[in-house]
Amino acid sequence: AQSVTQLGSHVSVSEGALVLLRCNYSSSVPPYLFWYVQYPNQGLQLLLKYTSAATLVKGINGFEAEFKKSETSFHLTKPSAHMSDAAEYFCAVSDTGRRALTFGSGTRLQVQP
Amino acid sequence: GAGVSQTPSNKVTEKGKYVELRCDPISGHTALYWYRQSLGQGPEFLIYFQGTGAADDSGLPNDRFFAVRPEGSVSTLKIQRTERGDSAVYLCASRSTRSNTGELFFGEGSRLTVL
Repeated sequence: AQSVTQLGSHVSVSEGALVLLRCNYSSSVPPYLFWYVQYPNQGLQLLLKYTSAATLVKGINGFEAEFKKSETSFHLTKPSAHMSDAAEYFCAVSDTGRRALTFGSGTRLQVQP
Repeated sequence: GAGVSQTPSNKVTEKGKYVELRCDPISGHTALYWYRQSLGQGPEFLIYFQGTGAADDSGLPNDRFFAVRPEGSVSTLKIQRTERGDSAVYLCASRSTRSNTGELFFGEGSRLTVL
């Protein structure tokens, strides 16, 4: 079965600083990978997805992620954090067997003024 | 509709009661998913429908949980004899089968509290 591991349940950065949220995956086949964001009391919103077309994926709100097969990683970055980026971020991998997504446990991003 | 709609947004019930949670997917999406999200955790897969049939119900925790999608659109998640441990946010998602990348579109969830 496929799985993802998100290192760091909480990350705190200063406004304007680099954001780096880590995700490592486990998969026996080439995966599809996703980052979702969840704001308080809301559903999950897709930030970006990797579907093997390009290893560097750009998403909404200035976020991007790089697929590194050798490291089985799909880390999420943003050059300059904004207060509005404070939310919970989830990495997910497609499970082709069940056609569903398997999610990591999430990373809560805090942005300090 | 424009997005995935879930009702109720909040449900408070007593231990032992029966609960139904409803999901109305994006129009035309034939794939529908239920996930459960406990506090501080990522969403956990429960069940997946392709059309009217449950293609994969391996995530349902026990036989108190059941879901239906009789006409291939709206789905209802049913929980019998609720327990305090069932308290969570239940998320519904849908996907177009024209999408081969597995992207899911989520509703805002139904928060269930069992007292």
